[in-house]
Amino acid sequence: NAGVTQTPKFQVLKTGQSMTLQCAQDMNHNSMYWYRQDPGMGLRLIYYSASEGTTDKGEVPNGYNVSRLNKREFSLRLESAAPSQTSVYFCASSITTGNEQFFGPGTRLTVL
Amino acid sequence: GESVGLHLPTLSVQEGDNSIINCAYSNSASDYFIWYKQESGKGPQFIIDIRSNMDKRQGQRVTVLLNKTVKHLSLQIAATQPGDSAVYFCAENTGGFKTIFGAGTRLFVKA
Repeated sequence: NAGVTQTPKFQVLKTGQSMTLQCAQDMNHNSMYWYRQDPGMGLRLIYYSASEGTTDKGEVPNGYNVSRLNKREFSLRLESAAPSQTSVYFCASSITTGNEQFFGPGTRLTVL
Repeated sequence: GESVGLHLPTLSVQEGDNSIINCAYSNSASDYFIWYKQESGKGPQFIIDIRSNMDKRQGQRVTVLLNKTVKHLSLQIAATQPGDSAVYFCAENTGGFKTIFGAGTRLFVKA
């Protein structure tokens, strides 16, 4: 099993450009999450999907949108990137909410 | 212990010694606690968890202690090895979608 996979690993964008971060899990988990991690700070929840067909805002949703494409895949879209969105983005999944989360390797995004 | 900010607390231990990493959690309603390990350039990796109906749980070389009275969590690593060098952070959950992650403690293991 690959666990949680994310693409791309690295990305550089110019201000105003858009992009989609992809995430997939092969553990048959119901819940999926997108976090951002900034230096010296804890992970902050951007959006989550408690189950297939549902998505909800987390702590820092502004500037992002998500799509739960199917049970396996959960994508994060930046419509108009800003320098404040420079961060490391992690996707995670869990069997249901309130349980151990498994994390992907991360996407390191720089917005110039 | 944990802190929020640019500079993580650092713990430096000699190889073979035991390590203790502390965490103060924020919500007295939290009933599920997890410790994660994050190596440089990688995603967080689950180490051990504990529910609020327990005060101690042991894994392989790791022990988590929970003191609900003072909202304190600790991770003990026995016989610390160079491969244990990483950032360790605790997380708390109240049973729903929201998991609160600490900023972490950096563990250095000296050979």
